[in-house]
Amino acid sequence: KNEVEQSPQNLTAQEGEFITINCSYSVGISALHWLQQHPGGGIVSLFMLSSGKKKHGRLIATINIQEKHSSLHITASHPRDSAVYICAVSPNYGGSQGNLIFGKGTKLSVKP
Amino acid sequence: DSGVTQTPKHLITATGQRVTLRCSPRSGDLSVYWYQQSLDQGLQFLIQYYNGEERAKGNILERFSAQQFPDLHSELNLSSLELGDSALYFCASSVGGTARSYGYTFGSGTRLTVV
Repeated sequence: KNEVEQSPQNLTAQEGEFITINCSYSVGISALHWLQQHPGGGIVSLFMLSSGKKKHGRLIATINIQEKHSSLHITASHPRDSAVYICAVSPNYGGSQGNLIFGKGTKLSVKP
Repeated sequence: DSGVTQTPKHLITATGQRVTLRCSPRSGDLSVYWYQQSLDQGLQFLIQYYNGEERAKGNILERFSAQQFPDLHSELNLSSLELGDSALYFCASSVGGTARSYGYTFGSGTRLTVV
């Protein structure tokens, strides 16, 4: 079983829809990251969370440390949101300062 | 432009060869991280350097090595290349020795194709 699980793997939405991507993890963490990867390949860091909720524009990320679960929400989705969204965690066990553990990603396609 | 520069963007080479990938971190960042993204394994952490010293090691093969120079740029050396080494190689940087406080900035990646 992967230490970081994302769902769904693929998601197709109509423009304007509210979108939720989920991430569950099984290790102790110091932080959780949401990343965005466009078809060109580059990775952009969207959020880093250790508790609670963060908002940036139409994107909202939440984390529940007790349940080891995080969600990424996109409000009023737009075709330019089409990308792969990757959840990654910074484990808090020793010697792992740089070690991000990644989920497999969620491929989002927003249709006009 | 994220501020993290990776060169080259694309690289095609033959099996058995050796290549060097280069990464310049964002100005002020002391840590450099290398990641490999392949179709079957997804993203995996390879190695981290902080201010010239190796800080953490992940799933890096013995045929691969890296270093960070005094000007803080880093190079990832891949030798005796195999078809399975074909992947996107990403570099990221952060201010401190961990990314726990400030997060990561990623480069645009180097796409390596081994033929």
